[in-house]
Amino acid sequence: DSGVTQTPKHLITATGQRVTLRCSPRSGDLSVYWYQQSLDQGLQFLIQYYNGEERAKGNILERFSAQQFPDLHSELNLSSLELGDSALYFCASSAPGNNEQFFGPGTRLTVL
Amino acid sequence: GENVEQHPSTLSVQEGDSAVIKCTYSDSASNYFPWYKQELGKRPQLIIDIRSNVGEKKDQRIAVTLNKTAKHFSLHITETQPEDSAVYFCAARAMDSNYQLIWGAGTKLIIKP
Repeated sequence: DSGVTQTPKHLITATGQRVTLRCSPRSGDLSVYWYQQSLDQGLQFLIQYYNGEERAKGNILERFSAQQFPDLHSELNLSSLELGDSALYFCASSAPGNNEQFFGPGTRLTVL
Repeated sequence: GENVEQHPSTLSVQEGDSAVIKCTYSDSASNYFPWYKQELGKRPQLIIDIRSNVGEKKDQRIAVTLNKTAKHFSLHITETQPEDSAVYFCAARAMDSNYQLIWGAGTKLIIKP
């Protein structure tokens, strides 16, 4: 157990819908990273937050947005869902000045 | 920006043999190079990392080597075991990147009994 929690574990929804994925980082970690992993694919970096502020953006679609709250948990919002958005979404966290990213168990999103 | 290439995409080795996975990076300012292991259906986990001021690092059966001149680094697994079967990801991080990692595409390692 990495100490990073993600909810829900599984999510099944229909095209055109909107969902919210939630992540709680390890205690003391200020950075949160979101990744998308499609079936048998690599880790696509989406976005990074540090202590509530956006720090870096990767290949995140305009239909996707995220935020980090004062209690440091983060939410990833996916809207106007398409079949191709079906994937495993991981969040990871890291401590200030620490390189290692600790991954959560992931949320498996299925868009039907 | 940084770009990381990883080879091979799939590697099949006999149990007990060694496995080597290679990554190249483009940004000479990169100074941190981790390797993550992702078992089927599980989360990626850090298995070993190396900084740019070190040429080699070992941890039991795994080792990482770094060639800064050629801008490549490699993961070496000796005496492979069935539990080594997984997808391995390399990554690189530049000094001014806000700790953002640039990831390789992954290598699926298959250990044949």
